[in-house]
Amino acid sequence: AQSVAQPEDQVNVAEGNPLTVKCTYSVSGNPYLFWYVQYPNRGLQFLLKYITGDNLVKGSYGFEAEFNKSQTSFHLKKPSALVSDSALYFCAVRDLRSAGNMLTFGGGTRLMVKP
Amino acid sequence: EAGVAQSPRYKIIEKRQSVAFWCNPISGHATLYWYQQILGQGPKLLIQFQNNGVVDDSQLPKDRFSAERLKGVDSTLKIQPAKLEDSAVYLCASSSGGAGAPHTQYFGPGTRLTVL
Repeated sequence: AQSVAQPEDQVNVAEGNPLTVKCTYSVSGNPYLFWYVQYPNRGLQFLLKYITGDNLVKGSYGFEAEFNKSQTSFHLKKPSALVSDSALYFCAVRDLRSAGNMLTFGGGTRLMVKP
Repeated sequence: EAGVAQSPRYKIIEKRQSVAFWCNPISGHATLYWYQQILGQGPKLLIQFQNNGVVDDSQLPKDRFSAERLKGVDSTLKIQPAKLEDSAVYLCASSSGGAGAPHTQYFGPGTRLTVL
């Protein structure tokens, strides 16, 4: 079975400050990991993914994430937050061994960036 | 490149009625997914198609939910009869490549269903 935990329901940060949104995962084999963002009344937008290779993954809109196998984490980061980054963020995992491409999503973390 | 299209965007029905949602994936994407997103939760996969075949429907409540992708392009998800707990946003996604490949899934805007 595969699972994802996003321990924080909400993260508050001031504009210009660095931000981190946490994600930990559990899979039987090696993971594929994804981050998506959801704006109000819109579908999920892909930010970045880790498949293999460099543990630091760079994605859209200046976001990056670091894969840490020993801590089973894949935290999303950005050096300088913008008010427009305020949205709902979802981490997702797929077990390399699963036959399909089924993603298991975390419960989401609401990011609030204040001016 | 056009994204994933879904219709309708909003639907309100009474319990025990039936409802259908439509999805047209990104052109050329062989794999199509339907997710259910209940308010305050992350999306949950209902069914995955590879072309016109079902890859995974283990989480689809088959007593009331059905889905088809007859020609391997667009897809329809139906609920009959609807229950109050079916109130959610139904998201369609598509990806290129085979069913087992870790290709990125691209999501449509969703259909918000309210069951009264």
